[in-house]
Amino acid sequence: GAGVSQSPRYKVAKRGQDVALRCDPISGHVSLFWYQQALGQGPEFLTYFQNEAQLDKSGLPSDRFFAERPEGSVSTLKIQRTQQEDSAVYLCASSLVVGGKLFFGSGTQLSVL
Amino acid sequence: EDQVTQSPEALRLQEGESSSLNCSYTVSGLRGLFWYRQDPGKGPEFLFTLYSAGEEKEKERLKATLTKKESFLHITAPKPEDSATYLCAVQAGIQGAQKLVFGQGTRLTINP
Repeated sequence: GAGVSQSPRYKVAKRGQDVALRCDPISGHVSLFWYQQALGQGPEFLTYFQNEAQLDKSGLPSDRFFAERPEGSVSTLKIQRTQQEDSAVYLCASSLVVGGKLFFGSGTQLSVL
Repeated sequence: EDQVTQSPEALRLQEGESSSLNCSYTVSGLRGLFWYRQDPGKGPEFLFTLYSAGEEKEKERLKATLTKKESFLHITAPKPEDSATYLCAVQAGIQGAQKLVFGQGTRLTINP
């Protein structure tokens, strides 16, 4: 595709449910990031992949959050036992080279009821 | 801890009324300062990267400048289509650390 694609666009979960958010980066992009954006705030870093290697997961807020990129392309962010405070927009971004310009997807808006 | 603060939180201008947005930062070892534009329901869109104090970059009606403590995004004769949230972010610390630390954004509205 022409850009970073994220699915689903919207996700409503009941508290305690597990969710999986998908990111399809631009083909060939080496770096992939996940960010969390609360309403009215700037994005906050969650985790970073270089190809299939997860090089930085310092921003994951708890062990309920898990991300993977097994073949160095598509990535999945999984949140177990969702809580209300997990409600936010989850943004994925990719870049062609390490340190290169980031291209963001439109995000997945997660609402936990 | 790296911190980025943007001001004002929101700004309303008339079409053609020039102004500036501020981004103040406190970091250990700045490696790059980034400006992004974000439209409602979309992800941030890259505008500029600045690397060292004194550097300036321009694109259409926008000009970004950088000092050792802050960056400004100047908007000249804005049009309604410039309405968006403008985000500032820094990349800092050890070489290889790739994450960006974002400010909370300035919500800019240009009235026709």
